[in-house]
Amino acid sequence: DADVTQTPRNRITKTGKRIMLECSQTKGHDRMYWYRQDPGLGLRLIYYSFDVKDINKGEISDGYSVSRQAQAKFSLSLESAIPNQTALYFCATSDLRGGGPLFFGEGSRLTVL
Amino acid sequence: GIQVEQSPPDLILQEGANSTLRCNFSDSVNNLQWFHQNPWGQLINLFYIPSGTKQNGRLSATTVATERYSLLYISSSQTTDSGVYFCAVIWGGSQGNLIFGKGTKLSVKP
Repeated sequence: DADVTQTPRNRITKTGKRIMLECSQTKGHDRMYWYRQDPGLGLRLIYYSFDVKDINKGEISDGYSVSRQAQAKFSLSLESAIPNQTALYFCATSDLRGGGPLFFGEGSRLTVL
Repeated sequence: GIQVEQSPPDLILQEGANSTLRCNFSDSVNNLQWFHQNPWGQLINLFYIPSGTKQNGRLSATTVATERYSLLYISSSQTTDSGVYFCAVIWGGSQGNLIFGKGTKLSVKP
């Protein structure tokens, strides 16, 4: 089983729908992240969390919200999806407040029609 | 903010060839990592290398932090090396978060 698991792996939805992407990890890391990947733009940080009580906005947080339900779980929500949120989304974890290696989930491909 | 530039953007190799990928960054960094994204989209951490040289099989990496660059060497390339290679850094202004370059797309032909 993967150390960092994302669900769903693929999702097609319509404009205006609410979508939740979930992430769970078994690595015991405190820090969790959500990134978005668009062709030619690399990965951009949406939100990150040091622990269940500490959530921070990243570079591109507008239109997104997150919830850290437990140390091992970090979910990303799109309250009202729009087509330019079509992208590949990655959850990641790290130890030592980002000072150690980053480990990624397998990605969630979201298409908004 | 910091600029992370990777070169070349695209690279095509014949199987068995060697290659060097470069990552330049515009400010001092505390952390540098190399990742490989395979054609199926999976991102794998290759090296955590804020300074110095590390080797893992046919891959090695060197970071010269004082000169603000890192190099990833791939020797005797294989078709399974194909994909996109990303460099990512942590600097003082990123609050401990990794800032990614746009990647080098590598295609290894049989």
